[in-house]
Amino acid sequence: GQQVMQIPQYQHVQEGEDFTTYCNSSTTLSNIQWYKQRPGGHPVFLIQLVKSGEVKKQKRLTFQFGEAKKNSSLHITATQTTDVGTYFCSVGTSYGKLTFGQGTILTVHP
Amino acid sequence: EAGVAQSPRYKIIEKRQSVAFWCNPISGHATLYWYQQILGQGPKLLIQFQNNGVVDDSQLPKDRFSAERLKGVDSTLKIQPAKLEDSAVYLCASSPGTWGTPSSYNEQFFGPGTRLTVL
Repeated sequence: GQQVMQIPQYQHVQEGEDFTTYCNSSTTLSNIQWYKQRPGGHPVFLIQLVKSGEVKKQKRLTFQFGEAKKNSSLHITATQTTDVGTYFCSVGTSYGKLTFGQGTILTVHP
Repeated sequence: EAGVAQSPRYKIIEKRQSVAFWCNPISGHATLYWYQQILGQGPKLLIQFQNNGVVDDSQLPKDRFSAERLKGVDSTLKIQPAKLEDSAVYLCASSPGTWGTPSSYNEQFFGPGTRLTVL
């Protein structure tokens, strides 16, 4: 089945530093979604990318979909303590099934 | 708009016992998913329903797990008998998307989950 690799597994940053997590697939993806899960919470949808080379921004978050549609990244500028959590990428099929990566756990030190 | 509801929120059972989880998706959402999330891992899809039909149950351990979505609305997931390795959070999610609709409908809305501990 579909496999995605997320790196890094953990990231510790000081508040105000930037953060990036990467999602890689060996196969071409139809779309990719990003979710955030706070400690003790459930995954919450952030964004979906569909087009090759697509870039979307949400305030301090920037999402990119690679030109070959095999990788994606999530970048947070000037992290805040509210950014703490696990960030998952998930890749979708045409009928809506999602396969989640293992996630990147972000810790922000004040 | 009400979110995805799940119950119970927590459950502790002994191995070989049975347990059932309930999920009520967002009204009008055609697709319902059950995920298993073991601590430190990403959610793993167990079963996907579209209305009351099963779309994908390839990762459901069918010798002990069962799920149904009667009338295409709410759903139950059952484990019988439970094993120690079933300890996890069981997440229900729903999506407005169905086969053939634009991918923009694929966003999944997750419920709060049921934390299962098997002793």
